[in-house]
Amino acid sequence: GENVEQHPSTLSVQEGDSAVIKCTYSDSASNYFPWYKQELGKGPQLIIDIRSNVGEKKDQRIAVTLNKTAKHFSLHITETQPEDSAVYFCAASKKGSTLGRLYFGRGTQLTVWP
Amino acid sequence: DAGITQSPRHKVTETGTPVTLRCHQTENHRYMYWYRQDPGHGLRLIHYSYGVKDTDKGEVSDGYSVSRSKTEDFLLTLESATSSQTSVYFCAISESENQPQHFGDGTRLSIL
Repeated sequence: GENVEQHPSTLSVQEGDSAVIKCTYSDSASNYFPWYKQELGKGPQLIIDIRSNVGEKKDQRIAVTLNKTAKHFSLHITETQPEDSAVYFCAASKKGSTLGRLYFGRGTQLTVWP
Repeated sequence: DAGITQSPRHKVTETGTPVTLRCHQTENHRYMYWYRQDPGHGLRLIHYSYGVKDTDKGEVSDGYSVSRSKTEDFLLTLESATSSQTSVYFCAISESENQPQHFGDGTRLSIL
């Protein structure tokens, strides 16, 4: 099956700085890559996603980039704010026999210091 | 927010007892999933459903069973709970295969 690796496991930044979280995947057939934000006591919330026919996608302060050749994708958060503090998960999936099931990275605890 | 309700939100029970967790959705989505979340392991898929009465196993299905008799409800059962099943359980839904999944707020289950 698919194997998704996520780094770093913890990340601390000063408010206003940028934060970057990186993930690699093993299955070249994977074609959908979502990112989730999880706050304490809550379920993961989808914040942005990208498909393999696109190299980059932006939504305000959040962007995701995908390098299919290298099989890695990254989450970029600019102008970080204390409310960005949370655990972030990357995931990968593909169509077919796995019925689009998501394979998750182990998460990154992001702390934004005021 | 996606209309997903998990119940109960918290439960403490003893080893060997049966436990059923419920996921209820109001989105009429075809796909439903059960995950467990443990420190150091992220989210792992237990079982999923691609329609009423259509279910399949995920990567950590041992000790769990599921049922889906209606589109809106997906039940996860631990037939005889063990301490290793202490975890936070999340339900997710998606409109179709390879589409965004949306999560409920989870059930924290402690087995003593």
